[in-house]
Amino acid sequence: QLQLQESGSGLVEPSQTLSLTCAVSGGSISTGLYSWSWVRQPPGKGLEWIGYIYKSGSTYCKQSLRSRVTISVDSSKNQFSLRLSSVTAADTAVYYCARSGHSSFDYWGQGTLITVSS
Amino acid sequence: EVVLTQSPATLSLSPGERATLSCRASQSVYSSLAWYQQKPGQAPRLLIYDSSNRATGIPARFSGSGSGTDFTLTISSLEPEDFAVYYCQQGSDWPSFGGGTKVEIK
Repeated sequence: QLQLQESGSGLVEPSQTLSLTCAVSGGSISTGLYSWSWVRQPPGKGLEWIGYIYKSGSTYCKQSLRSRVTISVDSSKNQFSLRLSSVTAADTAVYYCARSGHSSFDYWGQGTLITVSS
Repeated sequence: EVVLTQSPATLSLSPGERATLSCRASQSVYSSLAWYQQKPGQAPRLLIYDSSNRATGIPARFSGSGSGTDFTLTISSLEPEDFAVYYCQQGSDWPSFGGGTKVEIK
C-alpha cells in the first residue's frame, strides 16, 4: 500500500520560505507514469493545486504561484519537496502531497498545517 | 484556468436518501473529471476518476456521470459515513477544484 508523509516546519515567518518534504513508502517514486503533487487547503476553505513533478524532474506549477514555487525530487530517498518563498498569511494552510494518475489524485498524505505568523 | 462550480453548496438529507451533486466547468474538460470525499481532519479520498470510474475500494452506491461541462455525482442511498464534503476536480487543463458541496444530516 502506497503511503505518503509530509514533514516540515509548522510555523514560518512572513517573507520567509516554506519548506516541505513528502516521503513516499510502499512503492517507488520512479515507477510508472505518475506525477507527484502538492495541494493546499486554507483553514475552512477549498483545495488548491500548487504544482507537480515527474520522475524526470519536469515540473509544472499553478501560474499564480509560479514565481514563488520550487518543486524537486530525490529519487534516491524516494521523496519530493516543495519550497514556497516570500510567504504571507494567505499561505497559511494544510499542505498535502499526493500522487497523480488518470488526471486525478489517488494517494494523499495526511497533510501538515503550515502557519505563517511572526 | 478552468473554473469548476459545484451546486448546491449544502445538501441536507437523511440516511437512505439519494444524493445528487452537480459540478459545472467553465469550458469543456471532456471526461477528465474526478470526485473526492473529505471528512473533517482528513485528507481527501478519491471516489471517481475520468467522470464515471470508481476508484479502488469505493462502494457501488457512488456513481459519476457526465462529459464536457456538466457532471454529476450520485450517492444512491446515503449511509451514515457518507456525510462529508465532496469536491470535483478537473484534469484536462492544469488541475483545479470546485468549491465543494457539504452533505449534511437533515
